Amino acid sequence: EPEVTQTPSHQVTQMGQEVILRCVPISNHLYFYWYRQILGQKVEFLVSFYNNEISEKSEIFDDQFSVERPDGSNFTLKIRSTKLEDSAMYFCASGVDRVAFFGQGTRLTVV
Amino acid sequence: GENVEQHPSTLSVQEGDSAVIKCTYSDSASNYFPWYKQELGKRPQLIIDIRSNVGEKKDQRIAVTLNKTAKHFSLHITETQPEDSAVYFCAANTGTASKLTFGTGTRLQVTL
Repeated sequence: EPEVTQTPSHQVTQMGQEVILRCVPISNHLYFYWYRQILGQKVEFLVSFYNNEISEKSEIFDDQFSVERPDGSNFTLKIRSTKLEDSAMYFCASGVDRVAFFGQGTRLTVV
Repeated sequence: GENVEQHPSTLSVQEGDSAVIKCTYSDSASNYFPWYKQELGKRPQLIIDIRSNVGEKKDQRIAVTLNKTAKHFSLHITETQPEDSAVYFCAANTGTASKLTFGTGTRLQVTL
């Protein structure tokens, strides 16, 4: 069964550094998403992406964040200057007809 | 925007008993309601979903009911097993490309 895959599984970075989280969505899906989950809390929406552009973003998704689909298979989330409060599990998801399937996540730790 | 509330936050049942988790939503335009199961350190896994044109949906031991008038939906798990122990999240969605708004989660513990 096809799955959304994310790399790396765990990333430790120093405050102020840039990080890029990578995702390979399921191949025939058209909608792509990034969510995050702070430890022990609910899953929060960051951004949705469709037809090569952002379709919706949350208040969390400020100018420090950007997304890109650099080729036909990858979908990336970049955080330009990480803060301590960016530490969380970041989930990529892809979907069709609003059914969303999640990747296994990247645990980002900002120190 | 949409707000989803979920209860209870924790639920402990004995193996073989039923478990019910309830969610309410605020946006009457929401029309898709999935449920995700998340085991510790793992991805949210879609277990069942329901669309607003249906009142109930069942898949083996799992069922979901939707009351559009009251704006609430529920997850029912029958004959619970230890492997059902996990955190369950409800969510609501208002459009094809739009976000899922998640509830706060229910930690289900199935004891022997």
